[in-house]
Amino acid sequence: KNEVEQSPQNLTAQEGEFITINCSYSVGISALHWLQQHPGGGIVSLFMLSSGKKKHGRLIATINIQEKHSSLHITASHPRDSAVYICAVRSEETSGSRLTFGEGTQLTVNP
Amino acid sequence: EAQVTQNPRYLITVTGKKLTVTCSQNMNHEYMSWYRQDPGLGLRQIYYSMNVEVTDKGDVPEGYKVSRKEKRNFPLILESPSPNQTSLYFCASKGRDRGHGEQFFGPGTRLTVL
Repeated sequence: KNEVEQSPQNLTAQEGEFITINCSYSVGISALHWLQQHPGGGIVSLFMLSSGKKKHGRLIATINIQEKHSSLHITASHPRDSAVYICAVRSEETSGSRLTFGEGTQLTVNP
Repeated sequence: EAQVTQNPRYLITVTGKKLTVTCSQNMNHEYMSWYRQDPGLGLRQIYYSMNVEVTDKGDVPEGYKVSRKEKRNFPLILESPSPNQTSLYFCASKGRDRGHGEQFFGPGTRLTVL
């Protein structure tokens, strides 16, 4: 079993829909990252969370440390949100720059 | 502009021919890392560095070397590349500031080893 599991692996939505991507992990963590990988391959950091909730524009990320679970929500989805979304965790036992990644969720938003 | 640069962006080489992929950041970041991305396996960390002259192995270090002689540069060295090192490689950096913890990624280097 991977340390970081994402669901779903693939997600297709219609423009305007509310989207949720889930990330579960099995180790104690000091931080969790959400990343976005564009169709061209470039990777952008969206959020880093250690507790609670963060919001940036139409994106919301939440984390429940006790349940070892995080969600990424996209409100009013748009075709330009089509990308791979990747969850990554930093274990409590490792140093500040060692990350373990989920396999990613491929999101397609149709107009 | 704050950025991480990698060179080359694309490289086709042959087994056994030593190569270096350069990585440079202009944000005075302490932390730098190298990752490889493969279909079905996602991103995996190869090596990371917490500061100048401080490096450590990630999850898949075999066949790779790194050095951190200057804060801005973190080259990835393949002494004797093999076909199983064909992959998409990303360099990333992060400051010690815990406010956001954002990782900045380079544009990627697509390596093919024949």
